[in-house]
Amino acid sequence: KAGVTQTPRYLIKTRGQQVTLSCSPISGHRSVSWYQQTPGQGLQFLFEYFSETQRNKGNFPGRFSGRQFSNSRSEMNVSTLELGDSALYLCASSLGGGQVGNQPQHFGDGTRLSIL
Amino acid sequence: DQQVKQNSPSLSVQEGRISILNCDYTNSMFDYFLWYKKYPAEGPTFLISISSIKDKNEDGRFTVFLNKSAKHLSLHIVPSQPGDSAVYFCAAIFSGTYKYIFGTGTRLKVLA
Repeated sequence: KAGVTQTPRYLIKTRGQQVTLSCSPISGHRSVSWYQQTPGQGLQFLFEYFSETQRNKGNFPGRFSGRQFSNSRSEMNVSTLELGDSALYLCASSLGGGQVGNQPQHFGDGTRLSIL
Repeated sequence: DQQVKQNSPSLSVQEGRISILNCDYTNSMFDYFLWYKKYPAEGPTFLISISSIKDKNEDGRFTVFLNKSAKHLSLHIVPSQPGDSAVYFCAAIFSGTYKYIFGTGTRLKVLA
């Protein structure tokens, strides 16, 4: 069974630009979550999508947005990039229904975004 | 507001001995806790979870203990192996949501 796939693996952008990251979940998984990982901050929750709807949202500015398609694939967009947006962006998928504790999230290997 | 805290950024343990990783939380409304392991250049991998109605869950060499009165959970790895060297994250979930709250991680180094 294929795992969670994130593309691209590495990305270099400059301040002010925008970027789109992609995530393909495990087949059958309908929930996709996005996280930002920076040194010393752990994994910060960005948002979670289920059946094309944003179901949960973290405390990030509106420059961070996402969407989910009918095939459960998800994209995350960051506009007007800032130096502080340099981070590893991780996507995770799970079945998304029923008892959440019995459905651990499965992570992709992330997209390393560097802002110059 | 860091609701899930891992106060030890790093830990070194001799191969074959026990590794104990700790995690504290502030919100008593969390009802599931999980541990993930992360190797460099890879995404986190799920290890073990525990419901808030339990105080222990075991899976092979990994055991998680939950002390609700102290708002503390710990992961025990026995015996520790060099392949266990990684960063370990604890996470907590509120009932009915899929919003995971992660700690900042503890880097475990198992010395051969």
